[in-house]
Amino acid sequence: KAGVTQTPRYLIKTRGQQVTLSCSPISGHRSVSWYQQTPGQGLQFLFEYFSETQRNKGNFPGRFSGRQFSNSRSEMNVSTLELGDSALYLCASSPTLGGEQFFGPGTRLTVL
Amino acid sequence: AQSVTQLGSHVSVSEGALVLLRCNYSSSVPPYLFWYVQYPNQGLQLLLKYTSAATLVKGINGFEAEFKKSETSFHLTKPSAHMSDAAEYFCAVSESGGNNRLAFGKGNQVVVIP
Repeated sequence: KAGVTQTPRYLIKTRGQQVTLSCSPISGHRSVSWYQQTPGQGLQFLFEYFSETQRNKGNFPGRFSGRQFSNSRSEMNVSTLELGDSALYLCASSPTLGGEQFFGPGTRLTVL
Repeated sequence: AQSVTQLGSHVSVSEGALVLLRCNYSSSVPPYLFWYVQYPNQGLQLLLKYTSAATLVKGINGFEAEFKKSETSFHLTKPSAHMSDAAEYFCAVSESGGNNRLAFGKGNQVVVIP
C-alpha cells in the first residue's frame, strides 16, 4: 500500500501570499489530521477531519483553514502568510478514530 | 486538556548502552499514549502505542515502554543503543474513545556515541 503523500514537498512564498497544501491519505483511511512543526513551538495540532467533517481544530488563527474531500484527500490553506508560518506541515491519516496514525513526509514551507 | 512533558532536549548515549527517554503526561480522561521517531527530513514513524491493554508495550527496533498510571509516565527504553537509533523521539497523548488529536512533547534528540 502506498503511504501518505503530501504535495508539494517544498514551497517558498512571500509575506502576504496564500498557500494550499495537499495530503493524500493511505487508501481506505477516512481520518486526516494536520500538524505544524517548528523549532520553537514543536509539533502543534491544526485540524482533524473524518468523512469530510472537521472534528477538531487547534489553537491557530482563522488564516489557517482546511477541508476534506469525498475521496478523503485533504487540503489546508494559509492566507496572508507571515514569517512565523515557516514550518514543516505534516499530515497524518488513520483508518478510524482513535487508531494508529500514519504520517506523511511533510511539506516544508518557507515564508520570505 | 492533555499535555506531555519530555525533559532533556538532547540525550547522548554510548553505542551498546541503555537508551532511556522519559515521558510524563497529563490527561483528564484515560489516555492513549504513543512514541514516534523522526529521522532528518522525514515524517514521524510510530514506534509503539498504549491503548489500555498491556501496560508493558513492545514496539519496533527493540524499543519498549511501560505505562504507569500512578506516576503518569510512559518512559521509552531500549537495552542496547545502535548507531541507527540517532534521531528525534516524540511522546504523544490523545484521549481514548475515538479522538485522533495528538498532543506532543518537545522531543528528545538522541545522539549515539561510537
